Order: sequence, then C-alpha cells, then structure tokens
Amino acid sequence: GAVVSQHPSWVICKSGTSVKIECRSLDFQATTMFWYRQFPKQSLMLMATSNEGSKATYEQGVEKDKFLINHASLTLSTLTVTSAHPEDSSFYICSAREEDSTDTQYFGPGTRLTVL
Amino acid sequence: QKEVEQNSGPLSVPEGAIASLNCTYSDRVSQSFFWYRQYSGKSPELIMSIYSNGDKEDGRFTAQLNKASQYVSLLIRDSQPSDSATYLCAVKAPTGRRALTFGSGTRLQVQP
Repeated sequence: GAVVSQHPSWVICKSGTSVKIECRSLDFQATTMFWYRQFPKQSLMLMATSNEGSKATYEQGVEKDKFLINHASLTLSTLTVTSAHPEDSSFYICSAREEDSTDTQYFGPGTRLTVL
Repeated sequence: QKEVEQNSGPLSVPEGAIASLNCTYSDRVSQSFFWYRQYSGKSPELIMSIYSNGDKEDGRFTAQLNKASQYVSLLIRDSQPSDSATYLCAVKAPTGRRALTFGSGTRLQVQP
C-alpha cells in the first residue's frame, strides 16, 4: 500500500506556542489530504480537507485561524496549531487520498501533541 | 441517524474463532467501502476495500457488501490475540465530500 509519513511523531510545547505538523505522501501524489484529531477513547474527527493549490475546507466548529493548513505541493500538507492551549492536546492524524478511482485514503502514523 | 453505524463493542471472541464485525450506512448511493484497523495509540491501517456486492477475501479477512441492505461486514477467520484492536468502517459517497465518513469503530478482543 501507499505510504504516508508524519513529522514529528510527538511534540510537547508550552501553552501559547505554535506547532507545525507535516504530512507527506512518500510514493504517490495526493491533491487531497485530510487532517483528523482523536481524543483518548474517542473516534476520529475530521478537522479539514487540504487541497493542493487552494484553500483548505474546514469542518463545522473547527477554527481555521487556529488550525492553519497549507498544501503547497502534491506530496506535502502542513497543519499549524497556533497559540496552542492544553485543550489542543490530542492525537493528530493526516491521511492522503490516492488519485485513482478507488478513493482509498492512507493514514500517516499520527502526531501526539501535548500542550503544557 | 448516524451516517455510518457500528456497534462499539467490545466484541469478545476466543482465539481461533471467527470474528464478525458489522456496519450499516445511510447514504444509499455510497460506492466505496473500507475497513481500517486501529491499535490503541496508533493511526488507522487499511485492511480491505470493497466496491461491489458480494464477498471479497484477502487472507484471513473477508469483506461482505450488500448494497440493497446498506450493510457491510468484515469477517476475521482464525482470530488471533494480535487482531485485538478497534475496527473502523468507512464509506465514500460518489459525489460531494471527498472525505470518507467513518463509523465510531468496534473494539475487538480476542481471548487467548
């Protein structure tokens, strides 16, 4: 299957700082990537759809000014959590959609963010 | 009604038994269906995809799709303790949203 990487795998930061998470499709091009958040023992929550060369589409209730998404190339999308607070501590997972007829999404390994 | 529904479990089966995981979806025009496995603290991993009615087998896994009943299932034969995880059903509608719609997952426990 296709491989998606995320960096960093974990990060601890102080409240008020910004954190950037990278998502890369390693062996395929992805015009569309997705960002999810998952709190402990809860299901995946789609935050936004990242579109290469255009603005991201945010799900209802997700602040676009707090969660900045940039999809500058066909293999890279970044999520920046601005002015992070403890309630932003979560497991952030990206996925990339393979550009064929199957709509298959492949997930990155996730980034665990802890805000002190 | 949720778009994709799964029983949260836990579903407990003995080692070597068949585990049957079920999923129903509400959008009748959905065309693509996926099963992901998620271990605790890890991200989801694709197990199988299915697009047409019937069964699709891959090793110990069999996905079953019944579009008339809006039902998709995953069978795991010869269940192993390493199969213990949360299994997510995901559905893609043919138009509109590009994102998959995920069920909340069924937690499977395989007892040694």
